[in-house]
Amino acid sequence: QVQLVQSGAEVKKPGASVTVSCKTYGYIFTSYAIHWVRQAPGQRLEWMGWVNGGDGKTEYLKKLKGRISITRDTSATTAYMELSSLTSEDTAVYYCARDPFGVIEQSLWGQGSLVTVSS
Amino acid sequence: DVVMTQTPLSSPVTLGQPASISCRSSQSLLHTNGNTYLTWLHQRPGQPPRLLISKISKRFSGVPDRFSGSGAGTDFTLRISRVEAEDVGVYYCVQATHFPGTFGQGTKLEI
Repeated sequence: QVQLVQSGAEVKKPGASVTVSCKTYGYIFTSYAIHWVRQAPGQRLEWMGWVNGGDGKTEYLKKLKGRISITRDTSATTAYMELSSLTSEDTAVYYCARDPFGVIEQSLWGQGSLVTVSS
Repeated sequence: DVVMTQTPLSSPVTLGQPASISCRSSQSLLHTNGNTYLTWLHQRPGQPPRLLISKISKRFSGVPDRFSGSGAGTDFTLRISRVEAEDVGVYYCVQATHFPGTFGQGTKLEI
C-alpha cells in the first residue's frame, strides 16, 4: 500500500532540536521528492522545504534556512526533517508529503507529527 | 511571497445545497510553461490534507464529480454542487506557480 508513515509526537524545550521521520511504502522512493509542510495552531499551512529522493538535493523556505535540514536515506526509504533552535512558534503538526501541490498528480500525505515546544 | 486570500473563512451550508469558496492570489498564477498551479485541498478534523483539485480544475483520482474548480490569473473558485455530510472540514487553496508554494488561510465548511 502506498503510504507515508511519520514518527510520533515530540515535546521539546526551547532551544532544542527535533527530528521527524517519514517512512515511505509502496512506491519507488528515488522517483519522487518528499516535502515538509507544517500547521501551527490557528495558522495557515506552511511549506518548509523538500528533498529530492533521487539525488538528495534540497530546497528550503528562506526564513527557516540555517535551522532546517531535510535528508533522506534511500536504503531505508525514509526522509528526515530536523529543525533546530526551537521556539514556541515552532509548535505545530508537521506533515511530510509527496507532491503536496498536485503538480504531478501524485499527491500523498503522512499522518502528521505533533511537535510541542514548551519549557 | 504570493499571498492567497480565501473567502469566506467560514461557510454554513445545508446538505444537498451548493457551496462555493473563492480564492484570490496577489500575483497571477499563470506559469511561463502555460500551466496554472492552483490547487484545492480538503482537511477533515484530525486528518492530513488531501488533494481535491489541481491545475485549477483537474479532479484528483477518486474525487467525486460534485467538486469542480474554475478561474484564471488571480481569481479562482471551488464549487460543490450538492454538499454531503462527508464534505465538512477546511478547504485550502494553494499555489505552486511561484516559489515558495503558499496556502490560503482556509475556509471552514460547516453543516
